[in-house]
Amino acid sequence: EVQLLESGGGLVQPGGSLRLSCAASGFTFTSHALSWVRQAPGKGLEWVSTVTDGGGATYYTDSVKGRFTLSRDNSKSTLYLQMNSLRVEDTAVYYCVRHCGSNWYNFDYWGQGSLVTVSS
Amino acid sequence: EIVLTQSPDILSLSPGERAILSCRASQSIRSSYLGWYQQKLGQAPRLLIYGASSRATGIPDRFSGSGSGTDFTLTISRLEPEDFAVYYCQQFGSSPRYSFGQGTKVEIK
Repeated sequence: EVQLLESGGGLVQPGGSLRLSCAASGFTFTSHALSWVRQAPGKGLEWVSTVTDGGGATYYTDSVKGRFTLSRDNSKSTLYLQMNSLRVEDTAVYYCVRHCGSNWYNFDYWGQGSLVTVSS
Repeated sequence: EIVLTQSPDILSLSPGERAILSCRASQSIRSSYLGWYQQKLGQAPRLLIYGASSRATGIPDRFSGSGSGTDFTLTISRLEPEDFAVYYCQQFGSSPRYSFGQGTKVEIK
């Protein structure tokens, strides 16, 4: 069974930092690109960042470039999102998602999410 | 940047009725790039359809996707009580980047 388990969320002040982790199991970790998708309270879905299956390339939405860093440890089957210079508008549930194996156009498995609240 | 616009925002139907949800792209996209997701209250989204028309693993055949170019449709042939939820379309764009529609809420009439 594919599982994606996020951790590391919480309350942080504006300008602060958090690191989210996503522990994956139930599939060949190195065969899939992975991403973070977030959802602000009561709002829709927003793509945040993607890392390729081998970890050689990362991509970010414009609003987090230069502040967030995505990485993966294939030996631990774990995905990380380092979030610095956090803003109130970064408040959201952050979902760890797996890209479909046959392509990386869509997301076939989602974690349950980790809530990040940025507030003073 | 390609923008996805879903309609209607809210669809009020009764169990057993057919639901037709629309997703329109601001410019033409490849069908293989288009997916649909279902999100129930308090839960993570779930992939329903990928490549515009292929059902994901375990998805009942009352869910079907169609369309091409700029117009895509998710059809639920007969609504079951568990189908009342919010539905999002999503596309893969160049760079790469990904975007979602604003969502359609299917509510019980």
